[in-house]
Amino acid sequence: DQQVKQNSPSLSVQEGRISILNCDYTNSMFDYFLWYKKYPAEGPTFLISISSIKDKNEDGRFTVFLNKSAKHLSLHIVPSQPGDSAVYFCAASPGNMLTFGGGTRLMVKP
Amino acid sequence: DSGVTQTPKHLITATGQRVTLRCSPRSGDLSVYWYQQSLDQGLQFLIQYYNGEERAKGNILERFSAQQFPDLHSELNLSSLELGDSALYFCASSPGGEKQFFGPGTRLTVL
Repeated sequence: DQQVKQNSPSLSVQEGRISILNCDYTNSMFDYFLWYKKYPAEGPTFLISISSIKDKNEDGRFTVFLNKSAKHLSLHIVPSQPGDSAVYFCAASPGNMLTFGGGTRLMVKP
Repeated sequence: DSGVTQTPKHLITATGQRVTLRCSPRSGDLSVYWYQQSLDQGLQFLIQYYNGEERAKGNILERFSAQQFPDLHSELNLSSLELGDSALYFCASSPGGEKQFFGPGTRLTVL
């Protein structure tokens, strides 16, 4: 039973355009959501997070949106850069235990 | 560099064997988490330790065990290894709260 799902295994965008990565969850107890970026042969790196009391959080080129009624969150990267090419995982937490989605591979083409 | 170290980086062993993976958390972090990532899948939470005590358990097999020592480093022991145990094993640490910092992982190959 996958409580956190990333339905797009891959996404390809042109450099300079917007990348939108999506994530759905089923557990209403989740109250904190995070996005991690992972390069090959490295561990996941924290990118941005959002609490369930907010619907948007921005950090530079990265913005996370949370729609609690739809149990959906998305990560927007604007503008996308070739160095953003990586696998992106969303994760959700009811406390301090993280449940991860399966990841989306983002490829940003120059 | 997250500040979390894991050894070894790679491990190749045979079915039925036992291995130990080691993790040193970031300085000051009391919580250590272990995750398993099988091929092309997300990270599966295995177990969490906080200041030497088990705090939470996920989908950890009975053949697997972990501990956290007084110096806060942690070890994940995998025994009676099977082919399906081949995976990346990540350790993460946290000072508290939801944000976790991940190590570079140990790639385990069971032949």
